[in-house]
Amino acid sequence: AQSVTQPDIHITVSEGASLELRCNYSYGATPYLFWYVQSPGQGLQLLLKYFSGDTLVQGIKGFEAEFKRSQSSFNLRKPSVHWSDAAEYFCAVGSTSGTYKYIFGTGTRLKVLA
Amino acid sequence: DAMVIQNPRYQVTQFGKPVTLSCSQTLNHNVMYWYQQKSSQAPKLLFHYYDKDFNNEADTPDNFQSRRPNTSFCFLDIRSPGLGDAAMYLCATSRDERSQYFGPGTRLLVL
Repeated sequence: AQSVTQPDIHITVSEGASLELRCNYSYGATPYLFWYVQSPGQGLQLLLKYFSGDTLVQGIKGFEAEFKRSQSSFNLRKPSVHWSDAAEYFCAVGSTSGTYKYIFGTGTRLKVLA
Repeated sequence: DAMVIQNPRYQVTQFGKPVTLSCSQTLNHNVMYWYQQKSSQAPKLLFHYYDKDFNNEADTPDNFQSRRPNTSFCFLDIRSPGLGDAAMYLCATSRDERSQYFGPGTRLLVL
């Protein structure tokens, strides 16, 4: 069965520190992979996505993610976190078989210390 | 520049009183989705439309219905809201499997 796991429910980092949010997926083939960010009371904003090709993808707000097929992972990174990055982050897997549906992970809530 | 618009942003209804949430899009996307998101949880897909083809998730309660009168608009009807239906409802659109664009959400409170 297809699934997405975000092992860290909460992460706290200091402003200026580096960040890595983990995402592992289970899918029969290479899926479409996404990271979304959600600020409190808001909708989801797409940070970046991976379909194929270069396994390191750049996104908005200084985020990047690396696809590792051997580890079934798609971890999100940022070299220097800003206080405004505090939010909930969702990893998602998209179907490549025409169902148009995504499976979301349970999310990681990021807290940034000043 | 708003692309996916949800109205209202906050909705208060009474237990058992029907309520309708609306979503509109300016992207002309074929696919529209409704998700339910409870506090500190992932969005849960309720149903989606591919054009006028309606696709219901197997575990979506019958209490939830949807209408899509045209490409731009999609409605979520909750026939008899219960306390457990209080949540954020997110609308999203896509033209293919490679992106979904989300609206700001409607937070529903059931009294």
